[in-house]
Amino acid sequence: AQTVTQSQPEMSVQEAETVTLSCTYDTSESDYYLFWYKQPPSRQMILVIRQEAYKQQNATENRFSVNFQKAAKSFSLKISDSQLGDAAMYFCAYGRGNRDDKIIFGKGTRLHILP
Amino acid sequence: NAGVTQTPKFQVLKTGQSMTLQCAQDMNHEYMSWYRQDPGMGLRLIHYSVGAGITDQGEVPNGYNVSRSTTEDFPLRLLSAAPSQTSVYFCASSYGQRDGELFFGEGSRLTVL
Repeated sequence: AQTVTQSQPEMSVQEAETVTLSCTYDTSESDYYLFWYKQPPSRQMILVIRQEAYKQQNATENRFSVNFQKAAKSFSLKISDSQLGDAAMYFCAYGRGNRDDKIIFGKGTRLHILP
Repeated sequence: NAGVTQTPKFQVLKTGQSMTLQCAQDMNHEYMSWYRQDPGMGLRLIHYSVGAGITDQGEVPNGYNVSRSTTEDFPLRLLSAAPSQTSVYFCASSYGQRDGELFFGEGSRLTVL
């Protein structure tokens, strides 16, 4: 069974600094998708970034980028120039590359931004 | 745009009572799912559906039933609530993994006494 592991329950970063959140996953598939979702105190789930496993290029969205290491099954999220609004729970998620399949989430990392 | 609508947002039940959490989406999404969120456990998949008439179990299906009679609706039923089912429940939908992100409802906080 596929699993997603986030080994950092909590992290803190100084405002304007860079922080990296770790995520590893276990799968025997070669075609799959990986996601990072953000959950601020409002509880609303927001997609931050998405990566297709067949793409070698790392996905980026403004200040958010990923380091996708397929062989190591690692998918870390880098947040540059951290802002107070980045404070949230961050969830890594995995989906098999099949339209008819489920998406599995990790346990999350709570990110604190220090002013 | 309504997106994914969950009701109720809050509910308190007594042990043994039954209830249904409603989920509706107006985006014509084929894929719908239910997750529960507990402190330190992340989001765990309860049940999911890839289209009307099709449902499947997720990671923690025990104690929950679902059905998908229409594309729009995916209710989650608790037949005999237990304190272990106290949680925040999220419904989510998408066109399918290849087509983009999961769209989440606002969540429903359920307390079972």
